[in-house]
Amino acid sequence: QKEVEQNSGPLSVPEGAIASLNCTYSDRGSQSFFWYRQYSGKSPELIMSIYSNGDKEDGRFTAQLNKASQYVSLLIRDSQPSDSATYLCAVNGFNKFYFGSGTKLNVKP
Amino acid sequence: NAGVTQTPKFQVLKTGQSMTLQCAQDMNHNSMYWYRQDPGMGLRLIYYSASEGTTDKGEVPNGYNVSRLNKREFSLRLESAAPSQTSVYFCASRPFGDRITEQYFGPGTRLTVT
Repeated sequence: QKEVEQNSGPLSVPEGAIASLNCTYSDRGSQSFFWYRQYSGKSPELIMSIYSNGDKEDGRFTAQLNKASQYVSLLIRDSQPSDSATYLCAVNGFNKFYFGSGTKLNVKP
Repeated sequence: NAGVTQTPKFQVLKTGQSMTLQCAQDMNHNSMYWYRQDPGMGLRLIYYSASEGTTDKGEVPNGYNVSRLNKREFSLRLESAAPSQTSVYFCASRPFGDRITEQYFGPGTRLTVT
């Protein structure tokens, strides 16, 4: 059973702060990694994807991947109340995707 | 361009009833997926279809069957619904061949089995 682990939270940060979300995975053969945002009652939407070790930045979002430690993270800079949602980590290997249970983020105005 | 569509949006079934959840995509994607999401949990893969004509089991296939009708459509059938199948069901599609391509999700079907 391939496992993807996330802290369920909730993670509370003040507006303007940096939110740090973490994810670990069990399958060393995993090829690519995704962060999805899911608002309550809605479907997941892609925030970031990454497949090489290191950092990848897109606007206020930075994904970090460390394959040796089997660890992927998402940093959200200048957090806004509209970032309040559940963030799902997903891991891909051989066309299958495995999701973590999600971290709920609350950004307080 | 509608993306991924799912019908119905809501459904209530009695234990033992059957039904089919429909999914269609208009993005010419090769791969399609069915997930279920229970409260406070992530998505769990039920079945997927890497390409037209193929289907494979995911993490939680018991109690479900699927049909890849053509490239656009991928249906999920519950032959004899059980309360444990109460969940939100998401369909997704993805282009095949590029490891970094994302999945595109439909709006979901909220199913309650009483």
